[in-house]
Amino acid sequence: DTGVSQDPRHKITKRGQNVTFRCDPISEHNRLYWYRQTLGQGPEFLTYFQNEAQLEKSRLLSDRFSAERPKGSFSTLEIQRTEQGDSAMYLCASSSGTVTTASTDTQYFGPGTRLTVL
Amino acid sequence: AQKVTQAQTEISVVEKEDVTLDCVYETRDTTYYLFWYKQPPSGELVFLIRRNSFDEQNEISGRYSWNFQKSTSSFNFTITASQVVDSAVYFCALSGRNSGYSTLTFGKGTMLLVSP
Repeated sequence: DTGVSQDPRHKITKRGQNVTFRCDPISEHNRLYWYRQTLGQGPEFLTYFQNEAQLEKSRLLSDRFSAERPKGSFSTLEIQRTEQGDSAMYLCASSSGTVTTASTDTQYFGPGTRLTVL
Repeated sequence: AQKVTQAQTEISVVEKEDVTLDCVYETRDTTYYLFWYKQPPSGELVFLIRRNSFDEQNEISGRYSWNFQKSTSSFNFTITASQVVDSAVYFCALSGRNSGYSTLTFGKGTMLLVSP
């Protein structure tokens, strides 16, 4: 059973450019989560999907951020018009939970995509 | 609102020493889960343990042990006979019923450095 994978692992971009990250969850995991981690901090929740439905979005997710999970498999996180403050590690996690089993859920994380905005 | 505090920013020990990482949490949920994750230099968060709020029994897994005390809202993690491979950042996290257990609130982490 392969783990959560993320692509790319590193991304360097110039301010104002758009970037897109991809996350492939553990096979058959229903839930997929995005977190952001800045230097010296713990991960902060951004959004999550139950299958293809985006059920919750954090206030951290500004209008420049959009996430999708078509067909309930892989997910993409796009940042438009990047700013230097967007520089961070973007972590994806997946879990097998459903609405009724969420209390016993464990999130498994991928290696992250490190974004640097120049 | 939920909050997790890991007051120790960095701990340095010599191999074979025991070390305890502290975690204090705040939540209004009556049902919640506590977690510990390890983040080695490679960056990937590795799941270590999940504990629910109704189970205050201590848990031991090899050299790792966890002490959950609801009265002090603490969930501390002890590594016995530390090894160089234990060097990493360790995060304590919390999920609660009010958020549908869907989001993890993390502390800022404790960096553990184990020297030979």
